[in-house]
Amino acid sequence: AQSVTQLDSQVPVFEEAPVELRCNYSSSVSVYLFWYVQYPNQGLQLLLKYLSGSTLVESINGFEAEFNKSQTSFHLRKPSVHISDTAEYFCAVSDWDNAGNMLTFGGGTRLMVKP
Amino acid sequence: GAGVSQSPRYKVAKRGQDVALRCDPISGHVSLFWYQQALGQGPEFLTYFQNEAQLDKSGLPSDRFFAERPEGSVSTLKIQRTQQEDSAVYLCASSYVIRGEQYFGPGTRLTVT
Repeated sequence: AQSVTQLDSQVPVFEEAPVELRCNYSSSVSVYLFWYVQYPNQGLQLLLKYLSGSTLVESINGFEAEFNKSQTSFHLRKPSVHISDTAEYFCAVSDWDNAGNMLTFGGGTRLMVKP
Repeated sequence: GAGVSQSPRYKVAKRGQDVALRCDPISGHVSLFWYQQALGQGPEFLTYFQNEAQLDKSGLPSDRFFAERPEGSVSTLKIQRTQQEDSAVYLCASSYVIRGEQYFGPGTRLTVT
């Protein structure tokens, strides 16, 4: 069975500083990878995804993540964070051969951006 | 267009009561998923429907949990004889195609007292 590890439960950072949220997954089989963001009292929103092709994927609001197959990692980065990026971030994985495409999530990382 | 909606948004139940949680997926979405999110943790898969067929229920924690989607659209997650450990946020997600992007609803927060 898949497992996803998010190494940091909380990441405090000052506004305009860079940030990296770490994610590692267990399986060696081919996978789809996702980052979701959850703002307070809201549902999960897809931030970005890796399905195939280029290992570097980007979101519209400046986040990027790089798929590293050898290290089974999919770390999320942003060069300069804003107060509005304060939220909970979840890494998730889905197996290629899983017919239903169910997601296995990590425990989440709370990003706290301070002024 | 409208997103995934869930009702009620909040539910308080006394231990031993039965509850029913409703999910209205995006119109036309084939796949529907239920996840359970305990406080401070990531969501965990419960069950999956493709149209009206329940193809995977491996994540349901006990036989007190039951889900249905009789007409391939609205789904209901029922929990019988609720226990305190059932307290969590229950998330519903739908996708247009099999293996498509999943769109999540706001969740139902269940508190069992």
